[in-house]
Amino acid sequence: GAVVSQHPSRVICKSGTSVKIECRSLDFQATTMFWYRQFPKKSLMLMATSNEGSKATYEQGVEKDKFLINHASLTLSTLTVTSAHPEDSSFYICSARNLRQGAYEQYFGPGTRLTVT
Amino acid sequence: DAKTTQPTSMDCAEGRAANLPCNHSTISGNEYVYWYRQIHSQGPQYIIHGLKNNETNEMASLIITEDRKSSTLILPHATLRDTAVYYCIVRVREETSGSRLTFGEGTQLTVNP
Repeated sequence: GAVVSQHPSRVICKSGTSVKIECRSLDFQATTMFWYRQFPKKSLMLMATSNEGSKATYEQGVEKDKFLINHASLTLSTLTVTSAHPEDSSFYICSARNLRQGAYEQYFGPGTRLTVT
Repeated sequence: DAKTTQPTSMDCAEGRAANLPCNHSTISGNEYVYWYRQIHSQGPQYIIHGLKNNETNEMASLIITEDRKSSTLILPHATLRDTAVYYCIVRVREETSGSRLTFGEGTQLTVNP
């Protein structure tokens, strides 16, 4: 099946520092990857859509200079939270679209729990 | 993408069928119905999708009404591990820059022993 991994699964960082989260499609090529965030007891909120080799498209209200997204290859996308603050603490989930299945289904990573102290 | 309406929560006894409803009265002709679920603190898991015919796979069955304004996800023999938030999403099924999954609030299904 289509497997998406994320690293790290949990990260704690100090306020003002930056943290990078990796998202990899392990057994398929993904031209499109998506980044979501989820606050406790809330639904997933799409942050940005990332196409390989192109700049990411950010949803309204998401600061592109704060959440840097790089999608340099068909199997890797990274999200960097710059100058993190406690309000950035959240569950970050990536998703990739599977080309081999006609690029229609999105498969999700296990998520990364970010805590900013 | 069309909006969906789901009950906030449902309970089901272990071993019984769980029937999760979803209303999507504004669905367009080219929009598919997708179901995902999210177990606590994990990423969403794809379950099933359909256009107008009923669908079945190893996880569940999807029943779509003839007018396509509503659907029901059926877990035939619910287990404790099926406790999760279930999301019903409608979207266009094509590779376009605007085609992506938008999540509503979903239904919290609790399977009881």
